[in-house]
Amino acid sequence: DTAVSQTPKYLVTQMGNDKSIKCEQNLGHDTMYWYKQDSKKFLKIMFSYNNKELIINETVPNRFSPKSPDKAHLNLHINSLELGDSAVYFCASSQGMGAAGELFFGEGSRLTVL
Amino acid sequence: GQNIDQPTEMTATEGAIVQINCTYQTSGFNGLFWYQQHAGEAPTFLSYNVLDGLEEKGRFSSFLSRSKGYSYLLLKELQMKDSASYLCAVVDSNYQLIWGAGTKLIIKP
Repeated sequence: DTAVSQTPKYLVTQMGNDKSIKCEQNLGHDTMYWYKQDSKKFLKIMFSYNNKELIINETVPNRFSPKSPDKAHLNLHINSLELGDSAVYFCASSQGMGAAGELFFGEGSRLTVL
Repeated sequence: GQNIDQPTEMTATEGAIVQINCTYQTSGFNGLFWYQQHAGEAPTFLSYNVLDGLEEKGRFSSFLSRSKGYSYLLLKELQMKDSASYLCAVVDSNYQLIWGAGTKLIIKP
């Protein structure tokens, strides 16, 4: 039983397109995150939601819009894709608010923008 | 600014011991994590230290010195499957995770 699942795993698209990545967790956690990992392997927090409410919104272009329909789901929509958006996007969840709990990551979604 | 430093890459021999260091300068401290990430996979939790000292968990141990802003991950009896990146991450005073860039560990037979 997958704890944190995200789809699609691979996404290849053209510049200027709009795409979405979906994430679901079945751990009953309160907090969900989107991370971006670029080619240099830095993990950068993008967004964090606690019980469907946005609690962290780092300096991310407003082309990126997260949506949390319920506390088990956190989707990421990206408009007008650019070459620099190519990266692996990880969804994660943790119990409680804030980052002091163990993070459970999804398998990642590798986005390639051509 | 906030900063986490770890070596970019290390090489060790199967069966040996390796120590991966992590130094940090952050606004406050509420714990330090080590995660393992195999190539093409998601990071997975290894350890969490919030008090000074050594935490042992099987072949892996993690040490913390808050006064020195320093931690290390010690891997014993190295196996080929330990080849991975090891990420150090610190929880700051706002309970946000600050990540290091990771140390790529290469194990040779």
